[in-house]
Parts: sequence; structure tokens; C-alpha cells
Amino acid sequence: EAEVAQSPRYKITEKSQAVAFWCDPISGHATLYWYRQILGQGPELLVQFQDESVVDDSQLPKDRFSAERLKGVDSTLKIQPAELGDSAMYLCASSFGVSGPQETQYFGPGTRLLVL
Amino acid sequence: AQKITQTQPGMFVQEKEAVTLDCTYDTSDQSYGLFWYKQPSSGEMIFLIYQGSYDEQNATEGRYSLNFQKARKSANLVISASQLGDSAMYFCAMRVNQAGTALIFGKGTTLSVSS
Repeated sequence: EAEVAQSPRYKITEKSQAVAFWCDPISGHATLYWYRQILGQGPELLVQFQDESVVDDSQLPKDRFSAERLKGVDSTLKIQPAELGDSAMYLCASSFGVSGPQETQYFGPGTRLLVL
Repeated sequence: AQKITQTQPGMFVQEKEAVTLDCTYDTSDQSYGLFWYKQPSSGEMIFLIYQGSYDEQNATEGRYSLNFQKARKSANLVISASQLGDSAMYFCAMRVNQAGTALIFGKGTTLSVSS
């Protein structure tokens, strides 16, 4: 069964350091999402891509976060510099379409980030 | 404003019993999608069931069914014949049609199944 891949699964870093997360969506899924989930809460969108284009990055803290999906397939999310408040689970999801059952988003296993 | 409300922080059920997890939503859109996800302690979000706003019948997927009451803006998840492996956090989510098609999530309900 096709899955969304993410790496690393866990990341511990010190504040002010740079971190990067990678996501490979399900093959054929044009839409890719990055969410952040703080402990005890539901995920919140950081950025959405349609192919290689950003569709929504209104909630992405652009002073320190960046995201790219250069060839419209896999994607990288970067934080520089990391702050204590960035400690969270970072989830990547992908979907085939944007309406009807095809809009169902499938999530990867996530990256747990701890900033010390 | 678009919003998902899950009012049950925790639910407890015994094996083989049915359980209903509540979800209400708020949107002014006519077209929207509603989803339920399961998140075990390992962290991955597992898709359970989808309901489109124009679907006339309630969605079902195996032991999961979605009780969709459009006029009341509710989308409750019903799990029949609970199993120990159902113990997890459950999130209700809605696809919003703003800049993109991202999901907004409720705060979740922790389900504990005992033997």
C-alpha cells in the first residue's frame, strides 16, 4: 500500500540551529501539505503545495520557516533558526485531488522535533 | 469563521460496545468535506472516513460510520464493536475553501477501550 514517507522520525536540536524535514508523498498525488501539531492539539496547516507551486502559506512563519517542492514531487521544510516554541510534531500529508473523496489527505508518520 | 468543535476530551468504553464521538462544525460554505482521523500514541494520523456535504447517505467504512446531520451541523463518528486497538486520539476535521484546501481540526477526543 502506498504511503507518505517522512524523515527523520525524531530530531533533537538546540535553539538557533537549523533543521530540515523531508517528505515524499504518495505517487501521483499533486497536492502536498505540511502541518504542525503541538502536543494536545489538532494539526494546523503551515503550507500547501499544488505540484511545485505554493497555494497557501499564510500561516507559515516566513522569518524562520521555508518550504519547497522543486520538482513537484518530494518536499523539504526548513526552520532556521529553531526556537523553543517550535517543539512539535511536523506532519506531511498528500492528496490526489481537491474535491470529493479524492481530496482525502493521507499523512506520513511525522517528525517529532524537540528544541533544547 | 470555520471551526470544528469536539466537546468530549475523553471517552471510555468496554470491548465489543459501540461508542459515538461527537463533532460539530461551523462553516458558511455549501461545499465542504468532513473527515475523521485516528492518531495512536505512535503519532501517525490514520484516515478513517469521509463525508461530502452533498452526500445524501451517511458514510460507512467497516466498523466506522459517520452520522451526518447537516441541519444541525454535526458529523459524529460511530465505532461499532470496539476493540482494544481502537484506543487512540480521534480527530474530526473539515476541508475549508479559503486560499487552499487545507483541513482544520478539532481538539480531539481520547478514546480508551478496556477489556
